[in-house]
Amino acid sequence: SQQGEEDPQALSIQEGENATMNCSYKTSINNLQWYRQNSGRGLVHLILIRSNEREKHSGRLRVTLDTSKKSSSLLITASRAADTASYFCATEAGGTSYGKLTFGQGTILTVHP
Amino acid sequence: GAVVSQHPSWVICKSGTSVKIECRSLDFQATTMFWYRQFPKQSLMLMATSNEGSKATYEQGVEKDKFLINHASLTLSTLTVTSAHPEDSSFYICSARAPGQGYQPQHFGDGTRLSIL
Repeated sequence: SQQGEEDPQALSIQEGENATMNCSYKTSINNLQWYRQNSGRGLVHLILIRSNEREKHSGRLRVTLDTSKKSSSLLITASRAADTASYFCATEAGGTSYGKLTFGQGTILTVHP
Repeated sequence: GAVVSQHPSWVICKSGTSVKIECRSLDFQATTMFWYRQFPKQSLMLMATSNEGSKATYEQGVEKDKFLINHASLTLSTLTVTSAHPEDSSFYICSARAPGQGYQPQHFGDGTRLSIL
């Protein structure tokens, strides 16, 4: 399966600033999910947005989805040093692809104290 | 909350060795589990879908004879990298979704870092 694109590939900001990461994908989806990965570790689910939703919030996270442009963005507000990690978007197509995730290339976020 | 446990977390072995990685769902039954591979500084690529009581389904380009998957119970799937070579060195991660949750997030294990010398 094709991988989606994420930009930027790397993002370096100061604590307190906002971080925005973008994700584009190629096929029709049932939902899009954002995950976080600390170095050398497994993935932690952040937020899931369904194809019929346009925006979703969870704490300091805001996710948007534009299915007409096949794109999504993740905004982390008031970033903290502990937010330093890699962030991946992943799409799920549904149907026979139920449960299968196609991941984007990821954005490496560094938050400086 | 639902937890997926993966073992071992790190393996270093000689070329030609077969390595078994376990993925367990700790507090739910998973009829389906997924295995991903991640090379350094790259994204995750789905390798195969592990189906309880039946054969695994492999993604295009993944050698089924190289990566043996056994899903013998509703809480355990194993991935065996047979006759591993240095090019098999990678980070392997499994995931599962608790049943009856529809399109809900996957639960991921902490991954296994495999280094073949």
